[in-house]
Amino acid sequence: QVQLVESGGGVVQPGRSLRLSCAASGFAFNSYAMHWVRQAPGKGLEWVAVISYDGSNSYYADSVKGRFTISRDNSKNTLYVQMNSLRVEDTAVYYCAGLLYSGHDYWGRGTLVTVSS
Amino acid sequence: DIQMTQSPSSLSASVGDRVTITCRASQGISNYLAWFQQKPGKAPKSLIYAASNLQSGVPSKFSGSGSGTDFTLTISSLQPEDFATYYCQQYNNYPLTFGGGTKVEIK
Repeated sequence: QVQLVESGGGVVQPGRSLRLSCAASGFAFNSYAMHWVRQAPGKGLEWVAVISYDGSNSYYADSVKGRFTISRDNSKNTLYVQMNSLRVEDTAVYYCAGLLYSGHDYWGRGTLVTVSS
Repeated sequence: DIQMTQSPSSLSASVGDRVTITCRASQGISNYLAWFQQKPGKAPKSLIYAASNLQSGVPSKFSGSGSGTDFTLTISSLQPEDFATYYCQQYNNYPLTFGGGTKVEIK
């Protein structure tokens, strides 16, 4: 059974940092490019970042570039995102997703990050 | 960045109706277009990749078409479980971008 379980969300003050994790099981994690996608309250989906299957390449949305860092540990089947200099507008549910765009794509249930003073 | 524009932003339909949602890219993206379904309070679910290919387990009432800049998602006979918000996403270029979503509501 495929599972992607995000953790690490919570309430944080503007300017502070937070690290989210996503634990994967039930599929070949080390074969998948992994993404973070977020959704602000009442808003649509926003793509955040992607990391290649082996961690050698990563890309970011302009809104988080220079502040967020995506990483992965294939030995632990875990995806991460380090979020620095958080802003109020980073408040959202953060989803991790394994997307190959080839028939078997997977999504986690999300973790809520609230940036507020 | 490639802008993805969905229309309509919302629609009301009855059970059994045929529904079509349109997605337009600001530049050509070949067929690098995916569709997702999201129900309230739930994670997105992948429906279609490469514009017209169903994800594993997705029923054949869903279909996608298009190439270049214009794409459609069609639900052939709307069922109660299909009432949700649908998003398109281009994966031709980084940064990846989603459309604004189409909320399908019960008439």
